[in-house]
Amino acid sequence: QSALTQPRSVSGSPGQSVTISCTGTSSDVGGYNYVSWYQQHPGKAPKLMIYDVSKRPSGVPDRFSGSKSGNTASLTISGLQAEDEADYYCCSYAGSYTLDVFGTGTKVTVL
Amino acid sequence: QVQLQESGPGLVKPSQTLSLTCTVSGGSISSGSYYWSWIRQPAGKGLEWIGRIYTSGSTNYNPSLKSRVTISVDTSKNQFSLKLSSVTAADTAVYYCARFLVVEYYFDYWGQGTLVTVSS
Repeated sequence: QSALTQPRSVSGSPGQSVTISCTGTSSDVGGYNYVSWYQQHPGKAPKLMIYDVSKRPSGVPDRFSGSKSGNTASLTISGLQAEDEADYYCCSYAGSYTLDVFGTGTKVTVL
Repeated sequence: QVQLQESGPGLVKPSQTLSLTCTVSGGSISSGSYYWSWIRQPAGKGLEWIGRIYTSGSTNYNPSLKSRVTISVDTSKNQFSLKLSSVTAADTAVYYCARFLVVEYYFDYWGQGTLVTVSS
């Protein structure tokens, strides 16, 4: 099972919106609504930002949103802020054999 | 507030077995519908799911690591453990333990991570 494909990096100015894609197959992203997104600052553990494709845990700002179309899931950060600069990883259920697979990771830079 | 803390040797020799323990505090490892998981991250690289265990003892492993991985749980100590055999330099990584919520399907609590280096 290969890692899900994410862009290596995306960037935006404060206040702008950025979108991170997470491309898989019909065996993972496209087959289930179990996509989650994690934010990781340098030297820190990942933090849950989105689960079940588009649900936001309590405490996560509403400028973070998730969606899915076909085999590609997306995380959008609206109104980009300096503290959003971090690495972001998607994760998807990939069936009863492989179970969970992470994305390759995307570095978000706030210009 | 649930907290997880990894512990174990930071240096392991090639061909030996890597052993790590995750201690859970702020809640019982036996309660609720959770899988207790291990994830690793080589320096500068992405996350890799290693495997997980339910409190019943039921386990699931990443197929690419399955032949070398054993995850166990000790409910009396509120701990779960990882053993990875026949390690090589490619197993050098930060290892995280995490709680996985079965119903909603996500990792909600993570340990701080511990660096394990495989070197002679």
